[in-house]
Amino acid sequence: GAVVSQHPSRVICKSGTSVKIECRSLDFQATTMFWYRQFPKQSLMLMATSNEGSKATYEQGVEKDKFLINHASLTLSTLTVTSAHPEDSSFYICSASLGNSGGNTIYFGEGSWLTVV
Amino acid sequence: GNSVTQMEGPVTLSEEAFLTINCTYTATGYPSLFWYVQYPGEGLQLLLKATKADDKGSNKGFEATYRKETTSFHLEKGSVQVSDSAVYFCALSDTGTASKLTFGTGTRLQVTL
Repeated sequence: GAVVSQHPSRVICKSGTSVKIECRSLDFQATTMFWYRQFPKQSLMLMATSNEGSKATYEQGVEKDKFLINHASLTLSTLTVTSAHPEDSSFYICSASLGNSGGNTIYFGEGSWLTVV
Repeated sequence: GNSVTQMEGPVTLSEEAFLTINCTYTATGYPSLFWYVQYPGEGLQLLLKATKADDKGSNKGFEATYRKETTSFHLEKGSVQVSDSAVYFCALSDTGTASKLTFGTGTRLQVTL
């Protein structure tokens, strides 16, 4: 089946630095990818919708200048957390949409744990 | 707005026990409902879904029925196995394509011998 891979699975960075998380669709082309974030004991929250070749669409309350999303190809979307702070520590997970005659199917990556110290 | 509420975990069961993970939702219109499962080290996988009231989704022995009157989509399995240990997420989509999902907090299930 279709596979979506995220990297890195865990990252620790210093406060004030930037960190990039990659989301790749390994065996299909994804025109649309989604980025979610989950704080402890809270729901997975949609941060933004990433469309290949165009600007991402951010959900209300998500700072687009802080969470930079680049969907430069049909198999890769990146999320860069800029000037990270401890409150950005969270679980980030991406998903990719594969369309077919039966509708869209969503495939998720493994997720990335970010810890900002 | 849309929201999903599911029971807090962790849920610890012995093998062959009956499983229920409660999920209720708030949404406008007629959303589609989903259960996703995340095994350790893997991505979320769609476990089952239901797209309209009274539909029953089922897969791998798990079942959930779309109850509009109680706005619920509880996950059940008659006899759990150690291999079912994972985190289970209830979710809804009102876009019809499951592209934009509203998730619950996830419930960790631990099954022991």
